[in-house]
Amino acid sequence: DVKVTQSSRYLVKRTGEKVFLECVQDMDHENMFWYRQDPGLGLRLIYFSYDVKMKEKGDIPEGYSVSREKKERFSLILESASTNQTSMYLCASSLEGGGPMGDEQYFGPGTRLTVT
Amino acid sequence: DAKTTQPNSMESNEEEPVHLPCNHSTISGTDYIHWYRQLPSQGPEYVIHGLTSNVNNRMASLAIAEDRKSSTLILHRATLRDAAVYYCILRHLFGNEKLTFGTGTRLTIIP
Repeated sequence: DVKVTQSSRYLVKRTGEKVFLECVQDMDHENMFWYRQDPGLGLRLIYFSYDVKMKEKGDIPEGYSVSREKKERFSLILESASTNQTSMYLCASSLEGGGPMGDEQYFGPGTRLTVT
Repeated sequence: DAKTTQPNSMESNEEEPVHLPCNHSTISGTDYIHWYRQLPSQGPEYVIHGLTSNVNNRMASLAIAEDRKSSTLILHRATLRDAAVYYCILRHLFGNEKLTFGTGTRLTIIP
């Protein structure tokens, strides 16, 4: 069974702390994504990665960085957490080469991060 | 990117069919139409996708207008478990893997 796991379901951090959100997929997918979800705004893409050590900015990359040292793992880093980064964070993965097949994205359960 | 428009919310009775509309008047000839849904407290999950012809799978059917400016996701017999937010997304054939989610339609199922 396809699986995307995220390191925590709930996380509480203080302003200014460095925060790591980890995502692991067991499907040998090339593509991995980080989204955040806020009420009234839907899902917004932060960063995505096509391959190990490759990354591209999504729609809202400011205040975030990412790391992909291994194919199965994609980390989202908040260098200095702020209260406006309180949100639900969702990780996803998909196969390379969507094209006509429109490869589906598989999502993890999400991490609800609260920054106080 | 071409945009989609969906109603904010819909209600349907349990065990009845549900038709969820999506308008995409600026769709290009190489945009695929994808539907995802998000159950409460879960990440989104893929439902179905299509290009021009109507599509069926075990979860739902997708009816695409002849001019492709609109589409309808059809749940043939809604259950309480179908209560979710449904997202209609356009994905370019030769684009990257990025999906642009809107705010979707929140479907409520009435027992």
